[in-house]
Amino acid sequence: KAGVTQTPRYLIKTRGQQVTLSCSPISGHRSVSWYQQTPGQGLQFLFEYFSETQRNKGNFPGRFSGRQFSNSRSEMNVSTLELGDSALYLCASSSGQPSDTQYFGPGTRLTVL
Amino acid sequence: AQSVTQLGSHVSVSEGALVLLRCNYSSSVPPYLFWYVQYPNQGLQLLLKYTSAATLVKGINGFEAEFKKSETSFHLTKPSAHMSDAAEYFCAVSDQWRDDKIIFGKGTRLHILP
Repeated sequence: KAGVTQTPRYLIKTRGQQVTLSCSPISGHRSVSWYQQTPGQGLQFLFEYFSETQRNKGNFPGRFSGRQFSNSRSEMNVSTLELGDSALYLCASSSGQPSDTQYFGPGTRLTVL
Repeated sequence: AQSVTQLGSHVSVSEGALVLLRCNYSSSVPPYLFWYVQYPNQGLQLLLKYTSAATLVKGINGFEAEFKKSETSFHLTKPSAHMSDAAEYFCAVSDQWRDDKIIFGKGTRLHILP
C-alpha cells in the first residue's frame, strides 16, 4: 500500500505571496490532518478534514485554509505569506476513528524570504 | 484541555545503555497516548500507542511504554540503545471520546554516544 505523499517537498516563496500544498492520503483513508512544525513551536495542529468537511481546527489565523476533495486528497493554502510561516508542513492520514493510527507524509519544507 | 510535557529537550545515552524518555500528560478525559519518532528530513513514524487495552505497550524497534494513570505518565523505554535510535521523539495525546485531533509534546532529541 502506498504511503502518504506530499507535494512539493520543498518550496521557496517571498513575503506576501500565497502557496498551496498538496497531500494524498493512504488509499481508503478518509481523514487528513495538517500540522506545522517549527523549531520554536514544535508540532502544531492546523486542521483536520474528514469526508470533505473540516472537522477540527487549531489556533491559526484565517490565512491558513484547506480543503478536501472527494478522493480524500487534501490541499492546504496559506495566503499573504509571512516570514514566520517558514516551517515543515506535515500531513497525516487515517481512517478517522479516534484510536486509529495517523500515518505521516514526509512533509513540505516551506521557506519564506 | 489536553497537554503533553516531555522532560528534557535533549537526552544522551551510551550505545547499549537503557533509553528512558519521559512524558507526562494532562487530560480531563481518558486519553489515547502515542510515541512517534522523526528521523532527519522525514515525517513522523508511529512507535507505539496506548488505547486502554493494556498499560504496558510494546512498539517497534524494541521500544515500549507504560501508562501510569496515577502519575499521568507515559514514559518510553528501550533496554539497549543502538546508534540507529538517534532521532527526535514525540509524545502525543488525543481524546478517546472525540475525533482525530492530536496534541504533541515539544519533542526530545535522543543522542547515542559510541
